[in-house]
Amino acid sequence: DTAVSQTPKYLVTQMGNDKSIKCEQNLGHDTMYWYKQDSKKFLKIMFSYNNKELIINETVPNRFSPKSPDKAHLNLHINSLELGDSAVYFCASSRTSGTGELFFGEGSRLTVL
Amino acid sequence: QQPVQSPQAVILREGEDAVINCSSSKALYSVHWYRQKHGEAPVFLMILLKGGEQKGHDKISASFNEKKQQSSLYLTASQLSYSGTYFCAGNNNAGNMLTFGGGTRLMVKP
Repeated sequence: DTAVSQTPKYLVTQMGNDKSIKCEQNLGHDTMYWYKQDSKKFLKIMFSYNNKELIINETVPNRFSPKSPDKAHLNLHINSLELGDSAVYFCASSRTSGTGELFFGEGSRLTVL
Repeated sequence: QQPVQSPQAVILREGEDAVINCSSSKALYSVHWYRQKHGEAPVFLMILLKGGEQKGHDKISASFNEKKQQSSLYLTASQLSYSGTYFCAGNNNAGNMLTFGGGTRLMVKP
């Protein structure tokens, strides 16, 4: 049973489209995250979601919005996709915010044409 | 601001040792180390929470100097399976999100 699962694993789309990536964790963790990894392998925190509290990295464009229907799910919705959004998006979860070990999903590779 | 890692890349022969350094311009509350193999997700190695703390994980260990805002990862008697990109990550408060360093690419050759 996969601890943190993301879908889809691959996503190819045109500029200007809207897309979503789903994430689910079955670890009972309180905090979930979205990270973006670019072609140079930089891992950048985008969002943290803990007990309905959303912490946003201020550098993230507002075209990106996380949606959490419940504690086990944190989806990422992206509006008006741009070429620079092409990256691998990782969902992660931890038992506690900040100091807990991060468990990562397998990643979703987004390619914007 | 993200932690700075050095070196950016290192090539080893099997059995050799390596040290990867991580430094921050801001005070660190905790330091995490992760390893990512090509095409896979990062995998947790260890967390260091206290100044001067050292931890070990098989032949991989790490130290954290809180005063210097630095951490080092030590890989001894490297194995082929150690190849990958190593990331340190830190936060300056218990509740803060982790910020990852730029990564150190490690390649172990036979």
